[in-house]
Amino acid sequence: KAGVTQTPRYLIKTRGQQVTLSCSPISGHRSVSWYQQTPGQGLQFLFEYFSETQRNKGNFPGRFSGRQFSNSRSEMNVSTLELGDSALYLCASSLDSGVNTEAFFGQGTRLTVV
Amino acid sequence: DQQVKQNSPSLSVQEGRISILNCDYTNSMFDYFLWYKKYPAEGPTFLISISSIKDKNEDGRFTVFLNKSAKHLSLHIVPSQPGDSAVYFCAGLGTYKYIFGTGTRLKVLA
Repeated sequence: KAGVTQTPRYLIKTRGQQVTLSCSPISGHRSVSWYQQTPGQGLQFLFEYFSETQRNKGNFPGRFSGRQFSNSRSEMNVSTLELGDSALYLCASSLDSGVNTEAFFGQGTRLTVV
Repeated sequence: DQQVKQNSPSLSVQEGRISILNCDYTNSMFDYFLWYKKYPAEGPTFLISISSIKDKNEDGRFTVFLNKSAKHLSLHIVPSQPGDSAVYFCAGLGTYKYIFGTGTRLKVLA
């Protein structure tokens, strides 16, 4: 069974640009969550999607957005990139994060903004 | 508002001994908790979970204990192995989201 796949693995962008990250969940998983990891901050929740609907959103500015497609694949977009957006972006999939179940993470996309 | 706290940023343990990683939470609504292990440049790997209706869950060398009255959980690794050296995150399941602590870096010394 294939795991969670995130593309690309590494990305370098300049300030002001926008970026789109992709996540393919485990087959059969309908919930996809996105997290930002920066040193000393742990994993900060960005948003969660289930059946193409955003069910929860973290405390990030509107420059961060996402969507989920009918096949459960998800994308997140960051517009007008800032240096502080440099981080590891992690995607996690689960059967349904609304019930007691574990989430499985991809390897992440390392975004560097210069 | 840090709802899940891991107050020890790092821990060193001798190989073969017990590693105890601690986690405190403030949200009484959590009813499911998880532990993840993370190596550099990789995504977190699920280790073990526990439901709030239990006070202990065991899986091989890993045991998680939950003390609901103290809002405290701990992960015990026995015996510790050098390959266990990683950052460990605890998490509580909130409303459609997992809320993570800031992690504890475990170093198992050979």
